[in-house]
Amino acid sequence: SQQGEEDPQALSIQEGENATMNCSYKTSINNLQWYRQNSGRGLVHLILIRSNEREKHSGRLRVTLDTSKKSSSLLITASRAADTASYFCATTPGDYKLSFGAGTTVTVRA
Amino acid sequence: EAQVTQNPRYLITVTGKKLTVTCSQNMNHEYMSWYRQDPGLGLRQIYYSMNVEVTDKGDVPEGYKVSRKEKRNFPLILESPSPNQTSLYFCASSFVSRSYNSPLHFGNGTRLTVT
Repeated sequence: SQQGEEDPQALSIQEGENATMNCSYKTSINNLQWYRQNSGRGLVHLILIRSNEREKHSGRLRVTLDTSKKSSSLLITASRAADTASYFCATTPGDYKLSFGAGTTVTVRA
Repeated sequence: EAQVTQNPRYLITVTGKKLTVTCSQNMNHEYMSWYRQDPGLGLRQIYYSMNVEVTDKGDVPEGYKVSRKEKRNFPLILESPSPNQTSLYFCASSFVSRSYNSPLHFGNGTRLTVT
């Protein structure tokens, strides 16, 4: 069963703008991960945030986690054409059945 | 280079003809898993394995088999493929950690079409 759900389904932005996408999940988690997928290729791990963390940064990525609302957000700052991809959140409720959402497709226009 | 290798990349077959998709990793990962990706449904887990000879069902195991005889290999077997198994398949692996915080490494996918 899908644990995480991303919102919006699709996002189109101009190069240089910021992109924000959200993930909501249903049950309590140990951690939440974000992955990127380029055009039908394998997913690539971007960042992991633990359930006791509220915010985490990695380069141009900023992830927040609100366990009371069961939600997370991924912010990509100063977007580039190479950021065009689908982004997925994945949660681990407490075992290894890592559960992915349906993803947010981001298009960065030049 | 650390990687997860899936073969083949593309496969077209007919209903009922048994097939195997291979997956191999060179990172000494204990955990391996198979996912299928369908439009609008995201990735759904088929089977996973915590270590050699240890496998368990994911969310959509029907119609699939797996085996884990060696640590590096985790083949996906479709004994009698049907058109509803047409999908994009991914193998992934990671270390096993008590806090479930090891990132998954994915292969490049196998696009399967069953006619």
